[in-house]
Amino acid sequence: QQPVQSPQAVILREGEDAVINCSSSKALYSVHWYRQKHGEAPVFLMILLKGGEQKGHDKISASFNEKKQQSSLYLTASQLSYSGTYFCGAFDRLIIQGAQKLVFGQGTRLTINP
Amino acid sequence: DVKVTQSSRYLVKRTGEKVFLECVQDMDHENMFWYRQDPGLGLRLIYFSYDVKMKEKGDIPEGYSVSREKKERFSLILESASTNQTSMYLCASSLWGKMNTEAFFGQGTRLTVV
Repeated sequence: QQPVQSPQAVILREGEDAVINCSSSKALYSVHWYRQKHGEAPVFLMILLKGGEQKGHDKISASFNEKKQQSSLYLTASQLSYSGTYFCGAFDRLIIQGAQKLVFGQGTRLTINP
Repeated sequence: DVKVTQSSRYLVKRTGEKVFLECVQDMDHENMFWYRQDPGLGLRLIYFSYDVKMKEKGDIPEGYSVSREKKERFSLILESASTNQTSMYLCASSLWGKMNTEAFFGQGTRLTVV
């Protein structure tokens, strides 16, 4: 079952902030964030492992609330280069043996205008 | 430079044809995934594999099969292509056994079934 992302689309002016949310009805053991620019492959941004963990680099950061089965991606003082579609992903099972199932949300399209 | 390579960027096939989408990775990854990407639906998992000859169904396996005869190669097969299989197909790979491992994506194959 796919994680659910919100909002589906965001339009901002350069310099504004954005928050993208990701939630799951199943337990999350790790949360991945990726960005895909038009016509390109999704590119990895970051992984969060533990409940309550927060990570970030530059002006993009994320949090992970394991109890609420939610993660949020924060884009601060957005730049034109941040435009693209953002996906959250998660391994939906704790790995002991066998296959690792990596599922993604439906994506959030972010448009940054000058 | 690590790579996941999909054999075709664009394919046009006729209804009823058998279609093969090929994916090769050069990172010695155990996990390989096939996703289909449609507007508003995000990345939906079709099949995944964690070892040679091992495969598991994802969330939308109907109408598809896969083959993994070598570790580096994961093929998606459409036994009898239909117009509702027109989509962007993305292959990805990752290391097995770690929750903090990122996935690497290929450039995608845009398949049109006419």
